[in-house]
Amino acid sequence: GAVVSQHPSRVICKSGTSVKIECRSLDFQATTMFWYRQFPKQSLMLMATSNEGSKATYEQGVEKDKFLINHASLTLSTLTVTSAHPEDSSFYICRVQGGTEAFFGQGTRLTVV
Amino acid sequence: GDSVTQMEGPVTLSEEAFLTINCTYTATGYPSLFWYVQYPGEGLQLLLKATKADDKGSNKGFEATYRKETTSFHLEKGSVQVSDSAVYFCALGNTGNQFYFGTGTSLTVIP
Repeated sequence: GAVVSQHPSRVICKSGTSVKIECRSLDFQATTMFWYRQFPKQSLMLMATSNEGSKATYEQGVEKDKFLINHASLTLSTLTVTSAHPEDSSFYICRVQGGTEAFFGQGTRLTVV
Repeated sequence: GDSVTQMEGPVTLSEEAFLTINCTYTATGYPSLFWYVQYPGEGLQLLLKATKADDKGSNKGFEATYRKETTSFHLEKGSVQVSDSAVYFCALGNTGNQFYFGTGTSLTVIP
């Protein structure tokens, strides 16, 4: 099956800085990748759909200027949290769809101090 | 629209107890159903899946049967272990590449 690699697994950054999270599809080409955010003890909330070669589609309430998504190739999507603030601290996870099955990255624990 | 309703936790069981985590779904069409497990500090791992009605998914002693008549996909294990302590998510995937998660159920197994 597909393997999805997400990096970094943990990151601590200062308020006001930007953090980039990478999601790589290792086994097959993915024209679409999905980014989720998970608050403590809650389920995963879809943030945006990353489309290779075009603009990402953001869910309602997600600031596209704050969460920049780039899907420059069929195997890589990046999520950049710009001007991070403590309220952006969360667990971010990407998904690659292979047929009817979803494959998830390992997740990134972001802590903004 | 499609959705998943999952039994709320947290659930605390003694080792070797029987586990059931309820999951029901609402969907148009014929979705696939999944259970994912998330261990502390880690991402989601596929535990088991079923792609059509009456299919039974099973893995590591866990089982779930896709029941269309009751729109359910309950997770069961006959004898839980401490290492099963995690958060379990029921999920639905439809043909439109959309994925819907339940709220997750935290399981703690005590020795």
